[in-house]
Amino acid sequence: GQSLEQPSEVTAVEGAIVQINCTYQTSGFYGLSWYQQHDGGAPTFLSYNALDGLEETGRFSSFLSRSDSYGYLLLQELQMKDSASYFCAVRGLGGGFKTIFGAGTRLFVKA
Amino acid sequence: EAQVTQNPRYLITVTGKKLTVTCSQNMNHEYMSWYRQDPGLGLRQIYYSMNVEVTDKGDVPEGYKVSRKEKRNFPLILESPSPNQTSLYFCASSQGTGGASYNSPLHFGNGTRLTVT
Repeated sequence: GQSLEQPSEVTAVEGAIVQINCTYQTSGFYGLSWYQQHDGGAPTFLSYNALDGLEETGRFSSFLSRSDSYGYLLLQELQMKDSASYFCAVRGLGGGFKTIFGAGTRLFVKA
Repeated sequence: EAQVTQNPRYLITVTGKKLTVTCSQNMNHEYMSWYRQDPGLGLRQIYYSMNVEVTDKGDVPEGYKVSRKEKRNFPLILESPSPNQTSLYFCASSQGTGGASYNSPLHFGNGTRLTVT
């Protein structure tokens, strides 16, 4: 079946770097996206990888390797406000427009 | 302000009583979609629409209906709600169709927390 696997929780300290992995068992998608969701809030878009390699957006970077069936989100210079859930997602499965999300990774940033 | 508006934010209902959750976007987006979010399961797509009068099933469409009569609106209809449809629901939209749609970010509404007793 089609699925995206993420660790359920990650803990890191303020100022550090953390990597959130997303491995997938699906094919035929057009790119990997990342979304952030704070408690009680709506998901917001962070980053998108259409091609293999690294995409950098400020403190956040995202990476995709189709040959290894995985991607990751890298958060640098962690801040307390980065404590949130992070979801990877793919769209365009099987040539259509279906979207699937991973179950999410809860990031705890400690002082 | 560009936004996706869902109503209501909270809804408590009883089994079998038909309900509609509305979703409206003011960004002229072609793509709209509905998700439910349950603990440990992430966001699961219910239905999506690529444009007016064009809808298709997501991963968990059973028990739900949608319609897309106007570009800006995409209501979610539960004809006969059941307790297993208790969840947090999100509507989202994005720009473009075809290849342009795949890398367009999804803009989410603030969510509707539905409880079916």
